[in-house]
Amino acid sequence: NAGVMQNPRHLVRRRGQEARLRCSPMKGHSHVYWYRQLPEEGLKFMVYLQKENIIDESGMPKERFSAEFPKEGPSILRIQQVVRGDSAAYFCASSPGTSDYEQYFGPGTRLTVT
Amino acid sequence: AQSVTQPDIHITVSEGASLELRCNYSYGATPYLFWYVQSPGQGLQLLLKYFSGDTLVQGIKGFEAEFKRSQSSFNLRKPSVHWSDAAEYFCAVYFGNEKLTFGTGTRLTIIP
Repeated sequence: NAGVMQNPRHLVRRRGQEARLRCSPMKGHSHVYWYRQLPEEGLKFMVYLQKENIIDESGMPKERFSAEFPKEGPSILRIQQVVRGDSAAYFCASSPGTSDYEQYFGPGTRLTVT
Repeated sequence: AQSVTQPDIHITVSEGASLELRCNYSYGATPYLFWYVQSPGQGLQLLLKYFSGDTLVQGIKGFEAEFKRSQSSFNLRKPSVHWSDAAEYFCAVYFGNEKLTFGTGTRLTIIP
């Protein structure tokens, strides 16, 4: 059973470009979470999605950031018009949505904005 | 307010020595508690978790953690560290709001 997959692993974008980060949850998992890790900091929750629904986006910046988890395909975290402050590691986690509460993390996408 | 505190930013121990990493939380009830490890440039791997029951939980790689309700703590321990244990360690807490709240992490350095 493959783990949580994220791609790309590394992404370099110039200021003003768009960044698209993809996350494929573990097989059988219908809940996806995105976290951001700034340099020298812990992980901060961004958004929680279930298939076709955003459940909690309280950690998402109000502008330029969006997330989706379509019925088919991976979850996408999109950052429009990136700025240097968006440089971070973005981690996706998935869970089966049972009472286990454990989240399984992907390897992360490291975004560098130049 | 719900919060997670890891008071030690950086700890250095000698190989073979014992280790204890601290984690405290602020919450009105008993949360679900986790310890994750992150090697440089890698994702997070779950070491152990506590939901209920026995307050001393065993994890992978020889780690254990003890939940102390009176101290609102969930400290991670290992009796004898190996050089391969050098990594960043994160305490995470589920406060019942569908997301994990992470501490700021403790970086562990092992010296020969």
